[in-house]
Amino acid sequence: AQSVDQPDAHVTLSEGASLELRCSYSYSAAPYLFWYVQYPGQSLQFLLKYITGDTVVKGTKGFEAEFRKSNSSFNLKKSPAHWSDSAKYFCALEGLGNYAQGLTFGLGTRVSVFP
Amino acid sequence: EAAVTQSPRNKVTVTGGNVTLSCRQTNSHNYMYWYRQDTGHGLRLIHYSYGAGNLQIGDVPDGYKATRTTQEDFFLLLELASPSQTSLYFCASSEGFQNTLYFGAGTRLSVL
Repeated sequence: AQSVDQPDAHVTLSEGASLELRCSYSYSAAPYLFWYVQYPGQSLQFLLKYITGDTVVKGTKGFEAEFRKSNSSFNLKKSPAHWSDSAKYFCALEGLGNYAQGLTFGLGTRVSVFP
Repeated sequence: EAAVTQSPRNKVTVTGGNVTLSCRQTNSHNYMYWYRQDTGHGLRLIHYSYGAGNLQIGDVPDGYKATRTTQEDFFLLLELASPSQTSLYFCASSEGFQNTLYFGAGTRLSVL
């Protein structure tokens, strides 16, 4: 079985501060990892993904994430944060053995950035 | 830009009612998915499809049927709706493994 854990349900920070969202996963083989963002009242949008290669991946909207196999994590970062980054962020996993069977999502972290 | 269109955007039905949620994608993607989003559960996969006529069971399929009539169209059917199926439903499409999912705007379903 595979799973994704986002331990922080809600993160609050001031505009200009650094944002880091935690994501850990459980999977027996090499995972493919994704981050999506959901702005209030909207659908999910793709931010970035890790498939293989460089462990730091850059995505849209100034976000980047670092894959760390040693502790099964894929944390999302942005600095500085802007008020427009207020949204819900989802980490997701696709397993090598689950060909195109969709993504397993974490519960999400809601981010509030105050001006 | 990928396009996934869901209809209706909002739906209210009664317990035992019959509901069909529609999804159309114009991306020429082979893979399509139905997810539900609930507080405390995140997004959960209901059904998915590799192509026209194909249907695969997801993680929470009970109470749902689906049908993929063409490459573009994927339907989710609730034949005897229950209040536990009150949720926000998302359709998505992708080119396949390792590829980005493109989501529709969602359908909010209330079962009274």
